[in-house]
This record gives sequence, structure tokens and C-alpha cells, in this order.
Amino acid sequence: SQQGEEDPQALSIQEGENATMNCSYKTSINNLQWYRQNSGRGLVHLILIRSNEREKHSGRLRVTLDTSKKSSSLLITASRAADTASYFCATHTNAGKSTFGDGTTLTVKP
Amino acid sequence: GAGVSQSPSNKVTEKGKDVELRCDPISGHTALYWYRQSLGQGLEFLIYFQGNSAPDKSGLPSDRFSAERTGGSVSTLTIQRTQQEDSAVYLCASSLGTSGIEQYFGPGTRLTVT
Repeated sequence: SQQGEEDPQALSIQEGENATMNCSYKTSINNLQWYRQNSGRGLVHLILIRSNEREKHSGRLRVTLDTSKKSSSLLITASRAADTASYFCATHTNAGKSTFGDGTTLTVKP
Repeated sequence: GAGVSQSPSNKVTEKGKDVELRCDPISGHTALYWYRQSLGQGLEFLIYFQGNSAPDKSGLPSDRFSAERTGGSVSTLTIQRTQQEDSAVYLCASSLGTSGIEQYFGPGTRLTVT
């Protein structure tokens, strides 16, 4: 099974609300990244958090990492309809291999 | 500069035929990844190239799948004797190096095996 597992599988919220997605993983990592995917095509990198970091911000995005629990969360504040997409976490080892989870499908209703 | 490009964008093939999917990474990127994504699913790692090192083929699902990277640039993923379960979007990504540096994804090739 995939190393990264997102929770929930699907999330539906109203515009302006916050969206929180969680990711759990199993083995030691070098860093964890979150990606966004529209329309089932290419992914776009959102944010990277290293294993020695606990929290990182980028615009309306906030990512946390708890290596003791092997989990991460992605918070999108003040969501917009344009945030509707699938969001994936990806874990990366020192060997360079990356493993993606199954994703969370976010729907933001206008 | 140009991003990662993949061709063809769509490929329909008959069961049993061989197919070749191409990926042109961003110039200067030493790492190249192939993934497979079935409808509504996450990304399944297939193979990883880093510079001149031997590729990590641990994700290839069967010996019908193979990949090459010529001259450290363009990569070709070949699927022999295609099966219906091979139908998926095949995504290629490149990055500057190892240790999980940000990956830049191509638009993917949608493969349909009839």
C-alpha cells in the first residue's frame, strides 16, 4: 500500500471556510511535500516541509509535521472555489524515492 | 523555459500491442520519475532515474514494463503486450536532484487499452 495516506478521502466546504487534510506515513523520511492536482493531469508542488521542521506557512497554506506520529496536516484558510482540486502528500527518503498517497478531493462551494 | 512535456497526450491501443510513452524533462534536471495514476486514485511510483546511477525499478508492476533514459535527458516508458489493466494516466516528473527536491510534473499520457 502507499506510504502516504490522506484523510479524509473527500471534503466539501463552503467558500471562506478552512479546509484541513491529514496525511500519515510509515517509514522515516527526509521531507514531506504537498501537491495539488486539477482535472486528473499534472501535479503542482505546493509546499515542502523537512523532517526537522514542525510547521511551515505559504500564503493561505499551513503545513505541520509530527515525525513522532508520522503525520502531517495541510490547512487551507479562507478557501475559495478555485481551491477545488485533489491534494496529495508525498514522502521522500534520502535515497530520493518519493511515495504519494491516494489524495483528498476538496470541493469548495461558492 | 519549457516545463516537462510528455507525448502522446492520449493513446488508445489494442490489447496485446506494445506502446511507447515519451517524457522530455526540464533541461538540467538530473532526476526523472515515472508514475501511474488510475482513475480517482493516487500516484503509483514506477521508476526513478538519477544522473548516471542505476535506475530504481522497484515500482515496475511486471516485466512487461521497462524504461530508458538516453543521454540523461529524454526518457521512454515501454509497455509490452498491453493489458486492459494498464489503462491509466502515466505521469512523468523531473527535479534538480535527489532528497525529494520539488518535482515538476508533465501533463501526463492517458493510455486506454481496448
